[in-house]
Amino acid sequence: KAGVTQTPRYLIKTRGQQVTLSCSPISGHRSVSWYQQTPGQGLQFLFEYFSETQRNKGNFPGRFSGRQFSNSRSEMNVSTLELGDSALYLCASSDRGGGPDTQYFGPGTRLTVL
Amino acid sequence: GDSVTQMEGPVTLSEEAFLTINCTYTATGYPSLFWYVQYPGEGLQLLLKATKADDKGSNKGFEATYRKETTSFHLEKGSVQVSDSAVYFCALRGKAAGNKLTFGGGTRVLVKP
Repeated sequence: KAGVTQTPRYLIKTRGQQVTLSCSPISGHRSVSWYQQTPGQGLQFLFEYFSETQRNKGNFPGRFSGRQFSNSRSEMNVSTLELGDSALYLCASSDRGGGPDTQYFGPGTRLTVL
Repeated sequence: GDSVTQMEGPVTLSEEAFLTINCTYTATGYPSLFWYVQYPGEGLQLLLKATKADDKGSNKGFEATYRKETTSFHLEKGSVQVSDSAVYFCALRGKAAGNKLTFGGGTRVLVKP
């Protein structure tokens, strides 16, 4: 099976702009989670979607949002970008709705905000 | 809330040395525990996991045992190679957290020939 894919791999934006990142999970996986990785804060959970519903959300401002489509592909959007949003954004998918399960990570999208 | 603490790096070793990375956690109930590895420029790869007390996860020569009494999940490898140079993350998933993972800060390991 193909792994988790994320597009684009690199992005450069300026403050105040908005950005949309995309994640395609492994075929058959219905759960998609997003994480932000920065040198200062480490890996932080953004949100999780399962069957097109957000069922868990981390402690991020409302500028961060996401959605999941019927084919399980997911997008996250960041509006009104700030310099501190520069980070590696990782997507992970798993094949069940809950309980002990393995999450598979994509290579990430590196966002730079100037 | 849930939290994971792991030793800070960098850890620098010679090839064939013994590696230990300490990880302790705080969580309600009995979480599942994981070690992930991140190579330069890549995402995270699952290295091993354990889902209940006294379980031992193992993969590629790495091992970790779920110790409920000490709330620990230390990673060990008996003989490291240069190719083991990477950043290692300890993580937990609480029973009521869906698929949310809580990560430690990561430990960079550098293995010199």
